[in-house]
Amino acid sequence: KQEVTQIPAALSVPEGENLVLNCSFTDSAIYNLQWFRQDPGKGLTSLLLIQSSQREQTSGRLNASLDKSSGRSTLYIAASQPGDSATYLCAVRTNSGYALNFGKGTSLLVTP
Amino acid sequence: EAGVAQSPRYKIIEKRQSVAFWCNPISGHATLYWYQQILGQGPKLLIQFQNNGVVDDSQLPKDRFSAERLKGVDSTLKIQPAKLEDSAVYLCASSLTRDQPQHFGDGTRLSIL
Repeated sequence: KQEVTQIPAALSVPEGENLVLNCSFTDSAIYNLQWFRQDPGKGLTSLLLIQSSQREQTSGRLNASLDKSSGRSTLYIAASQPGDSATYLCAVRTNSGYALNFGKGTSLLVTP
Repeated sequence: EAGVAQSPRYKIIEKRQSVAFWCNPISGHATLYWYQQILGQGPKLLIQFQNNGVVDDSQLPKDRFSAERLKGVDSTLKIQPAKLEDSAVYLCASSLTRDQPQHFGDGTRLSIL
């Protein structure tokens, strides 16, 4: 069974800092990995999707990397802004199914 | 394009009562998912439909939960009877195909008294 762990559980940084969120997974036979953002009382918004054959994906100030062999992914946020405050979830889809296996998320607070 | 629509947004019921949630996916999306998100946890897949057929319901508590997808479009998720541990946010998602990214609705927050 795929287990997904996210560290840290919570993070508070001042505006303008670069930061890294970590995700690890136990089964390296993954189909893809996705990073989501969840605002309070809202659903999930997809940020980046990395296929198993890819090493990284970039969108604006966000960069996600994938190292399948070590079972790790990182989400890098450059020049953080208060609007980035949200919970960030990592989800892995394995080769054996279509379900997404989610971590518990990292709650990010960016202070002005 | 319009997003995934869910209703109601909030529901409060007493234990042992029944409740139903509704989801309207993005037009043309063949795959529909129901997830349960307990406070402080990531979402957990309950059931996945491909058109109007069930692909995966391995984590659906079938003694109390049921779901259907009428004509391969809208879907309803029902709980009968509800237990205290069912308090959670129920998220619906859809994707064009099983290989495409999933788009999520805002969810229904269920509280059991």
